[in-house]
Amino acid sequence: KQEVTQIPAALSVPEGENLVLNCSFTDSAIYNLQWFRQDPGKGLTSLLLIQSSQREQTSGRLNASLDKSSGRSTLYIAASQPGDSATYLCAGPKAAGNKLTFGGGTRVLVKP
Amino acid sequence: DTGVSQDPRHKITKRGQNVTFRCDPISEHNRLYWYRQTLGQGPEFLTYFQNEAQLEKSRLLSDRFSAERPKGSFSTLEIQRTEQGDSAMYLCASSLSGDGYTFGSGTRLTVV
Repeated sequence: KQEVTQIPAALSVPEGENLVLNCSFTDSAIYNLQWFRQDPGKGLTSLLLIQSSQREQTSGRLNASLDKSSGRSTLYIAASQPGDSATYLCAGPKAAGNKLTFGGGTRVLVKP
Repeated sequence: DTGVSQDPRHKITKRGQNVTFRCDPISEHNRLYWYRQTLGQGPEFLTYFQNEAQLEKSRLLSDRFSAERPKGSFSTLEIQRTEQGDSAMYLCASSLSGDGYTFGSGTRLTVV
């Protein structure tokens, strides 16, 4: 059974600092891994999708890496802004189209 | 395409009443998923469909819960005889055979 852990559970940083969010999973047989952002009371917004054949994916200030052998993914957010304040979730299916297993998320607060 | 749509956005119901939620996936997506999320937790898997076939159900989906996806298009999630413990955000997602998952804005259920 896949278990996903996200560390830290919460993070508070001043504006401009770089953010490093960690995601670990117990079953390395993961098809792909997706990072999501969730604002309070809202649904999930996809940030980055890393296919199992890839090692990283970048979009603007966001960069995510995937190391299947060690069961880890890391999301880097450069030069954080107050608008980055949200909960960040990682998840991946065991096979294409299967259910996602989520971690508990990392709640990020970026202070002006 | 406007993405994944969920209706209603909010539902307040009295304990013991039945409620039904609707999800309209992205039109070309063949897979549709239901998740439940309580405050401060990551989403928990409930069930998913490939076209009209329900492929997997979580043990969280008690016999008071039923989901359908007639004709492989929209889906409904019904909760019978609601309990206070059913209060949560119900999230719907869709994918094209697992090539990334797109979530809706969710339906927030409050049972009073």
